[in-house]
Amino acid sequence: GNSVTQMEGPVTLSEEAFLTINCTYTATGYPSLFWYVQYPGEGLQLLLKATKADDKGSNKGFEATYRKETTSFHLEKGSVQVSDSAVYFCALHTGANSKLTFGKGITLSVRP
Amino acid sequence: GAGVSQTPSNKVTEKGKYVELRCDPISGHTALYWYRQSLGQGPEFLIYFQGTGAADDSGLPNDRFFAVRPEGSVSTLKIQRTERGDSAVYLCASSLTRATGGSEQYFGPGTRLTVT
Repeated sequence: GNSVTQMEGPVTLSEEAFLTINCTYTATGYPSLFWYVQYPGEGLQLLLKATKADDKGSNKGFEATYRKETTSFHLEKGSVQVSDSAVYFCALHTGANSKLTFGKGITLSVRP
Repeated sequence: GAGVSQTPSNKVTEKGKYVELRCDPISGHTALYWYRQSLGQGPEFLIYFQGTGAADDSGLPNDRFFAVRPEGSVSTLKIQRTERGDSAVYLCASSLTRATGGSEQYFGPGTRLTVT
């Protein structure tokens, strides 16, 4: 079956620090990969996605590259802001079904 | 336009009671999903509707859980004989079509269910 593994959290960074959040997956078929974000008091929202190997998803300064050889989709940002404090979920979806499979999520706190 | 809405936002019920959770998807979205998110975990899939029919209910944990979408729009998740282990945030999502490839699922704010 499908599964997503995220690095253990929480993560606390100072403003303008570099961010990497690791995500690896196992899947049958050829998954699409996603990062969702949940800001305090808000619902889940899509941050970025990649639908095939070597694709790079990007949004709001965040990037993630679909690496089939390492089955990874690590999230990076060069300079985090306080407003990036949120919970981040890695997820995948295959064409065999319509459901998203999520990782456990990781809480990011950015200090001024 | 309006996003996915869910009611109630919070529900407290006693063990053994019956509850209904409602989801209003984005207008025109044919696909609707229910997920359950326990504390400290990512959302877990429960059921998926394409139109009025349940296309995949493989995530429903047992026969106490049931969901309907009679007119292909609003959906209701029904839980019978609630147990304390059912306490979680129940999320609803919708997408324009079946979520193949990169089609985005839009999530509602969730219903926090607490079973005492």
